[in-house]
This record gives sequence, C-alpha cells and structure tokens, in this order.
Amino acid sequence: QQQVKQSPQSLIVQKGGISIINCAYENTAFDYFPWYQQFPGKGPALLIAIRPDVSEKKEGRFTISFNKSAKQFSLHIMDSQPGDSATYFCAANFNKFYFGSGTKLNVKP
Amino acid sequence: DAGVTQSPTHLIKTRGQHVTLRCSPISGHKSVSWYQQVLGQGPQFIFQYYEKEERGRGNFPDRFSARQFPNYSSELNVNALLLGDSALYLCASSLGGAMDTQYFGPGTRLTVL
Repeated sequence: QQQVKQSPQSLIVQKGGISIINCAYENTAFDYFPWYQQFPGKGPALLIAIRPDVSEKKEGRFTISFNKSAKQFSLHIMDSQPGDSATYFCAANFNKFYFGSGTKLNVKP
Repeated sequence: DAGVTQSPTHLIKTRGQHVTLRCSPISGHKSVSWYQQVLGQGPQFIFQYYEKEERGRGNFPDRFSARQFPNYSSELNVNALLLGDSALYLCASSLGGAMDTQYFGPGTRLTVL
C-alpha cells in the first residue's frame, strides 16, 4: 500500500510558467513533509520541507502548500526555468521516510 | 565539505550472487539510511542505523542486511540476488534526529543478470 500518492507522473511547462505537483497521504501520524529534486545520475537533494502546523512555506521560487484536513500538500515552482527540469519527489515522515512515485518535470525554453 | 560517498558506482552481478555496497556519511553525521530506487519510482526505505544500532527496517526480505561501523560508515549486503534486486541503491546520512535533513549520496547502480 502506497503511503504517499503523487501526481502527475510527468509535467511539461513553458519557461516562466508555474509548475504544480500534488501529493496526498493517509497516515495522520506523519509529521514532516519534504520535497526532493533529483537530476539524472544523482541522488535526491532536499528542496524544501514543511511541518503540519504550517499551511504554507516559501523559499525563493519554491512554495509548499499544506492542507492538513484534506491530507494533501503540493509544490509550486514559480517562474519555472529549464534548469528546473528534473524529477521531484514528495515524502512524508513518521519514524521513517515514505516517498511518492515522482514527477518528471520538463520546462520548455 | 565532502558529501555522502558511495561505492562502487556501478555493479553487475548474476542471480544467486552476493553483493556489498558501501557508504560514507557526511562528517559529523551519525545516522545512515539505505534506500532502494527502482527505475521510475521513488526511493523505498530499507534500513536506518544510528550510532551503530538498527533504528528502523523497511519491508524487505532477510536477504538484505546492513551494519554501521564505529566511524559511522555503513555497508548494505544483499544475498542470493534476484533479477528484481536491480535498482539504484541510495545511502542518506543525517545528524540523527527524526526530522533531520537527509543528505543522499549519488547511489550505486546494481544490475542483476
């Protein structure tokens, strides 16, 4: 049973556009929700993370929106750039990390 | 500062063989976690070690084992390899707190023929 469900599987966005990736979870014990960025041939790198007592967190062009009642959280990438083209994973933590299945983002120049 | 290092980078084995993967955490980090990432999927948790003790174990068969050494480096061992074990094996290190940032290494690509 997948603990964290991520969508879409792939996403194409024009340069300057907004990229939105969504995740949903069932376990209300999760208490930490990070997003990771992974380039081909590299390990995932932490992008931004949020705790459930906060509804939104912004770092530069990256924003996490968190809806505790709906058990959903999303990553927004503003002013998307070709360099943002990568695979993005959401994750949730309770004693261990559970990762979503990933979203392959392609930002067209 | 050196990041998390893993060796080897790539490995090809045949079914039934045994493999050992190695990981060196970031200096000062006391926790190491291992993940399996099958192509097109997210990482799946295998083990976490903290101060040489197993702190957590994922849903993997007993063919998978690991250990952490006094210098906090770690080994992941897989016995009786199956074709389905082909994956990228990632090591992540952290300070050790439950919500501490995990820093991933580049991974070891294991191919089982």
